[in-house]
Amino acid sequence: GAGVSQTPSNKVTEKGKYVELRCDPISGHTALYWYRQSLGQGPEFLIYFQGTGAADDSGLPNDRFFAVRPEGSVSTLKIQRTERGDSAVYLCASSGSGVTDTQYFGPGTRLTVL
Amino acid sequence: GENVEQHPSTLSVQEGDSAVIKCTYSDSASNYFPWYKQELGKRPQLIIDIRSNVGEKKDQRIAVTLNKTAKHFSLHITETQPEDSAVYFCAARFGNQFYFGTGTSLTVIP
Repeated sequence: GAGVSQTPSNKVTEKGKYVELRCDPISGHTALYWYRQSLGQGPEFLIYFQGTGAADDSGLPNDRFFAVRPEGSVSTLKIQRTERGDSAVYLCASSGSGVTDTQYFGPGTRLTVL
Repeated sequence: GENVEQHPSTLSVQEGDSAVIKCTYSDSASNYFPWYKQELGKRPQLIIDIRSNVGEKKDQRIAVTLNKTAKHFSLHITETQPEDSAVYFCAARFGNQFYFGTGTSLTVIP
């Protein structure tokens, strides 16, 4: 079946603007994760959804970042008042509900804040 | 929380030789340890994983070992091939979160 997809693949915005990044997980996957990956670093956890609810949002860096998953499938990561330091690749991953279920990553959205 | 350290940051080997990448973690409650391969501009892809109740797992040329007492785990790639060249990340699951190492850039020289 189809893998995890993310749109847009690239997003260039100006400092202070609002952006939305979308993730379409694998059908039937209840767990969904957002990560941020800076150049030369490993993915950094942002938020975890189990179904519709944010089960763990402790990785969100500040209140400018917010994510939703209203129907337990597609998720949107929202960033307000973007800053240059927000520039990174934002990765989404989905998995089944088991603790050791494999995470499948999407291709990422490269966000550049000018 | 958890802290995962990964070494080396870069590794070059001759084709056919073995490559070993090591990771340590800080919290003994971590119970699942996946390894990902990420090619330039591509998404991370799972290559092997190990659960905390297992000491070693092998899949063809790739193996992972886990030492729970010492809190470290290693990736072993044998008979390396040029297509193994990529960045490899280890990770540890602690609670709901996955903590990743900083990556190892592996270059296999033909």
